[in-house]
Amino acid sequence: KNQVEQSPQSLIILEGKNCTLQCNYTVSPFSNLRWYKQDTGRGPVSLTIMTFSENTKSNGRYTATLDADTKQSSLHITASQLSDSASYICVVTDSGGSNYKLTFGKGTLLTVNP
Amino acid sequence: GAGVSQSPRYKVAKRGQDVALRCDPISGHVSLFWYQQALGQGPEFLTYFQNEAQLDKSGLPSDRFFAERPEGSVSTLKIQRTQQEDSAVYLCASRLVELGTEAFFGQGTRLTVV
Repeated sequence: KNQVEQSPQSLIILEGKNCTLQCNYTVSPFSNLRWYKQDTGRGPVSLTIMTFSENTKSNGRYTATLDADTKQSSLHITASQLSDSASYICVVTDSGGSNYKLTFGKGTLLTVNP
Repeated sequence: GAGVSQSPRYKVAKRGQDVALRCDPISGHVSLFWYQQALGQGPEFLTYFQNEAQLDKSGLPSDRFFAERPEGSVSTLKIQRTQQEDSAVYLCASRLVELGTEAFFGQGTRLTVV
């Protein structure tokens, strides 16, 4: 069964600090991996997408890495802001027939305090 | 519209009541998905439409759940004889084509069954 595991489950940091969120997956065959940000009471919004051949991708203060050999990804947030407080969800798509199903992790709840 | 719109945003239903949740996808988007997100969990796949055709309903938890998209645009998720375990956020997402492109999520409908 395809699975996506995220750690930590929750994280509290001070404004201005950096943090790194982890994602391990067992989805096969692999197509792509996305990190989504979900604010409380909102739907998920895509931050980055990475395919098999990509090792790192940045979007402003967000940098995602992917190691397809070890099936691990990380999301690094630099110089955190209060508005970064949200749930960050790792989502993996397989390249088989069910491309649309998307396997979601449970998310990491990030709280940025002043 | 500019994004995926879901209504109502919040719904409180008495146990045993029927409910209908509406999703207005982005205009022209072929693919439409429904997901169920329990508190503190990642979204779980319910069903998938390509235009008006429901290609996969394997995620629907019981025959009390029914989804339709009769004209290939607006979709309705209906839950009959609601039970407390149905309490969750129901997310709708749409995508321009069947494969590859990003799925955009609505804000969700929070259903509480009392």
